[in-house]
Amino acid sequence: ETAVFQTPNYHVTQVGNEVSFNCKQTLGHDTMYWYKQDSKKLLKIMFSYNNKQLIVNETVPRRFSPQSSDKAHLNLRIKSVEPEDSAVYLCASSSTGNYAEQFFGPGTRLTVL
Amino acid sequence: AQKVTQTQTSISVMEKTTVTMDCVYETQDSSYFLFWYKQTASGEIVFLIRQDSYKKENATVGHYSLNFQKPKSSIGLIITATQIEDSAVYFCAMRVPSSGQKLVFGQGTILKVYL
Repeated sequence: ETAVFQTPNYHVTQVGNEVSFNCKQTLGHDTMYWYKQDSKKLLKIMFSYNNKQLIVNETVPRRFSPQSSDKAHLNLRIKSVEPEDSAVYLCASSSTGNYAEQFFGPGTRLTVL
Repeated sequence: AQKVTQTQTSISVMEKTTVTMDCVYETQDSSYFLFWYKQTASGEIVFLIRQDSYKKENATVGHYSLNFQKPKSSIGLIITATQIEDSAVYFCAMRVPSSGQKLVFGQGTILKVYL
C-alpha cells in the first residue's frame, strides 16, 4: 500500500515532557511536510523537507524540531510540551514541483494535560 | 506574505443540488497555484482539484469545478449534484513558488448535505 503513515494516532502527555511523532511515506515523493491543525481546524505549515534538507521553517517555537533520516521519513520532536501544543499534527508529502498536490497522513492528536 | 480567506463558516444544502464555496487570496507574486482539499469526519484530508494562475480555463474534475476570477483574486469551488458523502470541511489553499513548497490554507468551510 502506498500512502503516508503516521504514528502514534493519539498521545496524551503532561506539560514539560518530550514527545516524538513519526511519519513515513511510501509514495516515492522527495518532499515532506509537517502541519499543525488547532481546535478551530486551522491548518498551518510548520516545516518542509526536500531530500532530507530543510526548505521551509515557519516561525515555530524552538522546542519543535524535525528530523529526517531519508526522504521517506520525517519525524517531529517536541521538547518540553506546553498546553498550547495540544493539536493534531499532520504529515504530508508531495513530488517536487509547485503544481504537485500534497498527500496527507491521518494525523497524530496530541493532548497536553 | 500570502493569505487565503474563506468567509463562509458553514453551508447546508439539500442532496443533489449545486453548492459554491468562496475563497479569496492575496499574493504579490504573478505565478501561484490554488488547491482545494476536503477533510472528512474521520480527519482524512484529500486533494480535490487545482488551478494554475496562468491558466484561463476553469479546472474541472468529476463533479468538482472551479470558478477562477483572477482580477478578483477569487477561486470558488463548485460541487454539482451533491451527495451525502460530500459532507466535510473544505479547505482552499495557495502555493507561491517564491515561498518554497508550503501550502497556505484558508479557515475552511463546513459543508452539510441533507436528504
